[in-house]
Amino acid sequence: GAGVSQTPSNKVTEKGKYVELRCDPISGHTALYWYRQSLGQGPEFLIYFQGTGAADDSGLPNDRFFAVRPEGSVSTLKIQRTERGDSAVYLCASSSTGANTEAFFGQGTRLTVV
Amino acid sequence: QKEVEQNSGPLSVPEGAIASLNCTYSDRGSQSFFWYRQYSGKSPELIMSIYSNGDKEDGRFTAQLNKASQYVSLLIRDSQPSDSATYLCAVGGSGSARQLTFGSGTQLTVLP
Repeated sequence: GAGVSQTPSNKVTEKGKYVELRCDPISGHTALYWYRQSLGQGPEFLIYFQGTGAADDSGLPNDRFFAVRPEGSVSTLKIQRTERGDSAVYLCASSSTGANTEAFFGQGTRLTVV
Repeated sequence: QKEVEQNSGPLSVPEGAIASLNCTYSDRGSQSFFWYRQYSGKSPELIMSIYSNGDKEDGRFTAQLNKASQYVSLLIRDSQPSDSATYLCAVGGSGSARQLTFGSGTQLTVLP
């Protein structure tokens, strides 16, 4: 596709449930990032993939959060035992490698834990 | 802890005026700097990138970078009501750290 695609756009889940959020990056972009944005704040880094491997997962808040990118394209962010504090907009971005590191965002997934 | 600081605003300017948005960052090794525009309820949209000291112009937008002062700014000339949005400053890390650190954004309102 032409841009970064995220599904679903909105997700409402009950506390304690498991959720998966999907990101399809811009074709050809080898770098993929997950961020989380709360109301009134800038995006907060979660994890960065270069190809299939997680190059930096230092932003994941705890071990309930996990992300994969098995074929170096689509990525899935997985959250186990969701808590109300996980409610936020989860943003995915992708970029090419090399000197130009401009990252482009998808439309985000709004996660609400009730 | 890398930090990016922005005035939260709100900043109001009349239509046709110049809007000036400012940002400071803590990591002296940062190599890349970006401005994103975010409309309410939407995702961030990249509007400017700058990598070296000085000015970079693109249409009505000018980004300015001063690495010695750890300061980056965005000027919007001939501001339009459609420029009303939150502007996010983002800083890329040093070396292989490609992820961005964002400020909390400055809310800009352009008054007709």
